[in-house]
Amino acid sequence: DAKTTQPTSMDCAEGRAANLPCNHSTISGNEYVYWYRQIHSQGPQYIIHGLKNNETNEMASLIITEDRKSSTLILPHATLRDTAVYYCIVPNNQAGTALIFGKGTTLSVSS
Amino acid sequence: EPEVTQTPSHQVTQMGQEVILRCVPISNHLYFYWYRQILGQKVEFLVSFYNNEISEKSEIFDDQFSVERPDGSNFTLKIRSTKLEDSAMYFCASRPGVQNSPLHFGNGTRLTVT
Repeated sequence: DAKTTQPTSMDCAEGRAANLPCNHSTISGNEYVYWYRQIHSQGPQYIIHGLKNNETNEMASLIITEDRKSSTLILPHATLRDTAVYYCIVPNNQAGTALIFGKGTTLSVSS
Repeated sequence: EPEVTQTPSHQVTQMGQEVILRCVPISNHLYFYWYRQILGQKVEFLVSFYNNEISEKSEIFDDQFSVERPDGSNFTLKIRSTKLEDSAMYFCASRPGVQNSPLHFGNGTRLTVT
């Protein structure tokens, strides 16, 4: 798995955009970038994933740099319920491979 | 939207007892996983299962653990003789057969070993 580096924690004001960075400089070939979050002790929740094009869904946008060595998860209008630990994961490209979680970024959204 | 369901949500057992944690993956998924999270620590991979056999396992998944898909819908994790340090949240996950599809997680079973 490509190693990822994320800040330990970030703060965001409610209603503002939250931009969570991730470095994955050793990413290679057809490895995808996945983002998950974990709210309190609930199961990890899938947010979004991408290969090289920017992606958007109802939860977030994913911006991947052209060299693919880093990416940013954007929550366009953060709410208090977005307070969670956010994980950026780059698994190897083998079929069915497991995701390995690091420590992630703790995002605190405040009013 | 279909989801992974896990039962029970909380299980208490005595040290040395066997425990079975149950999961119903999303119906058309082909890959199944167990993870655990000890309180205050990160989510740790235990085992993955595909085509009725273990495809990958971590060093945590020793002889005390086993997995089974006894029928077309359930996926179970058995701990033969529980220890205090097995106390954790256990998460089940599944994914479709399409490569690079994301894993979907259940909300976990909290196992407390006393």
